[in-house]
Amino acid sequence: EVQLVESGGGLVKPGGSLRLSCAASGFTFSDSSMNWVRQAPGKGLEWVSSISSSSGYINYADSVQGRFTISRDNAKNSLYLQMNSLRADDTAVYYCAREPVYGWGTSCFDPWGQGTLVTVSS
Amino acid sequence: DIQMTQSPSSLSASVGDRVTITCRASQTISTYLNWYQQKPGKAPNLLIYAASSLQSGVPSRFSGSGSGTDFTLTVSSLQPEDFATYYCQQSYSLPKTFGQGTKVEIK
Repeated sequence: EVQLVESGGGLVKPGGSLRLSCAASGFTFSDSSMNWVRQAPGKGLEWVSSISSSSGYINYADSVQGRFTISRDNAKNSLYLQMNSLRADDTAVYYCAREPVYGWGTSCFDPWGQGTLVTVSS
Repeated sequence: DIQMTQSPSSLSASVGDRVTITCRASQTISTYLNWYQQKPGKAPNLLIYAASSLQSGVPSRFSGSGSGTDFTLTVSSLQPEDFATYYCQQSYSLPKTFGQGTKVEIK
């Protein structure tokens, strides 16, 4: 069974840091691009960051550029998100998601982990 | 950035109804369009990819169509388990943006 399990969320003060992890199983992690997507309470979905299978291509949303760092360890089948200089508007459930790419170049997010809640508050 | 606009933002429907949700992109995205279903407290689930391809395991009452800037998700006969929020998402270019969501409620 393809599975993604996030961990590392919690309560942090503004300006603080947190590292999220995503453990993958049931598929060849080292062949897959991976993403972080977040959802603020009661709001819609926002793509945060992506990383290619070999970490050669990394991208960020403007809202987190310079504060968040995505990384992966293919030997451990794990994805990470280092979040620094956290702000109240970073409060959200953070999901990791695999990004399968199809023959004609289109891609999607499938599957998603169950999410981990990050709350930034004093 | 490509803006994705869904309509309606919410709708009320009965079991057995045919439901259509529309998604419009601010620029052409060919068929680089996906649809997700999200139930309260759960992660989103992929329904349709590449505008019209049904994800494995998704009931055939779900279908997608469109290309360019205008897309639709149709549920041919709404079932009790289909009451949820639906999101479109473009994979044409970064950042990979989502629509604001359409909440389907019981009438």
